[in-house]
Order: sequence, then structure tokens, then C-alpha cells
Amino acid sequence: QSVLTQPPSASGTPGQRVSISCSKGSSNIGNNYVYWFQHLPGTAPKLLIYRNDQRPSGVPDRFSGFKSGTSASLAISGLRSEDEADYFCATWDDSLGGYVFGTGTKVSVL
Amino acid sequence: VQLVQSGAEVKKPETSVNVSCKVSGYNFIDSYIHWVRQAPGQGLEWMGRIHPNRGATNYAQRFQGRVTMTRDTSMNTAYMELTSLRSDDTAVYYCVRDDHFYGMDVWGQGTSVTVSS
Repeated sequence: QSVLTQPPSASGTPGQRVSISCSKGSSNIGNNYVYWFQHLPGTAPKLLIYRNDQRPSGVPDRFSGFKSGTSASLAISGLRSEDEADYFCATWDDSLGGYVFGTGTKVSVL
Repeated sequence: VQLVQSGAEVKKPETSVNVSCKVSGYNFIDSYIHWVRQAPGQGLEWMGRIHPNRGATNYAQRFQGRVTMTRDTSMNTAYMELTSLRSDDTAVYYCVRDDHFYGMDVWGQGTSVTVSS
């Protein structure tokens, strides 16, 4: 079950910036790296951000990750229609001894 | 790097399912393989992981006793068996490679498991 809290939805018009938060506590985000995934229906999730704020090769620099204390966030700038997807954060949880995912945020481009 | 999973399954309650994940393009024994599922309308849920080198496993607490993750290093394949299936186990199951630096960086295509009487 999700231990990390994300807003259920976020939206913006093309070109705008949207931000998605991901928060919990010191046993997970506070002590460990945060990862972000983009999930389009019918496809496998795609790694967007690793180690809090790093982008894998091929991920546009419109996507940015941030972490501060026990919270993290993903920002999408210059929003495009193809950014419509579900976004999940994830991190290791020391107290659970496993990975935990966020509740997921559906991004809509108006 | 590719992870190719076995095909869709339809199972009756109280039976078991075994999903395979064949990897290619990297050294199988070097990286953890995670199993993650997504039930209809729900988020992603981590089930556990296996390190193919020695077969060491970590399972999420809620699956302890029902899930077994194994591997066959000669076949470069990881397996996930889930027993005592219930209707709420209906989900798409993914295997995921964990690169030590990038994290969960390559996902299988997913395997749909439907549990229905």
C-alpha cells in the first residue's frame, strides 16, 4: 500500500509549469533517494528522475526533480499534450524494509 | 536491455500464478529484479525483489507467505509465484531491473493476471 502522499491530480495549459509533491517521513524520503516515473495507460512505467534530481538520458530537461527534507517534488515546465499521464514517486522505506510508491498524480493538459 | 515477461493469465481463486521475466542485454546476476503490480484503477505496489546472484529476496510485508521470487541464472530468467489468489490480486504485474546507480530503470512489458471464478 502507498505510504507516500501525492495530490490525485494536477493540470495546466500547454506551455505552463505544473508541480507534483510527494511526502511522507524520515524513514523513507528523509533518508533515501527519490525516483519519479511516468506511466501512460497500457504501457510500462518509465523512469523520469533518479537520485532525487537526475534525469536519465533521453528524458527532456522540462522534467525536474527536487528533494528537501522529507518531501520531494516533480516539476514539468513547458507542458505538452504528450505529458498527459500518471506520475508516481518512489523511495526505499527503512522501517518497512522495501520500496514504497506514491499514490500517483494524474496530469492533464487542458 | 530488455525484460520480456510471460503472457496473460486467467486464474481461479485459491490457485497460484507464476510469471516469468527473461532478461537480455546485460549481466543478469549483477542487478536486483523487482516485482511491482498495478491493480485496476490503483497505483503501483512494490511486491519484493530478488538478487539473481545468490537468490536473496526481500518481500513486502503484505505478501509474505504468499509470494516466492526465484531465478534461473542459466536462462537469465526471474520468476514470481503468487499463491492463494484472490479477486483483488487481479492486476498487471511488472518485473523491473534495478540498476545500482539509476534505480528501477528498465521495466518489463507487464503481465495481466485476472483472478475470477
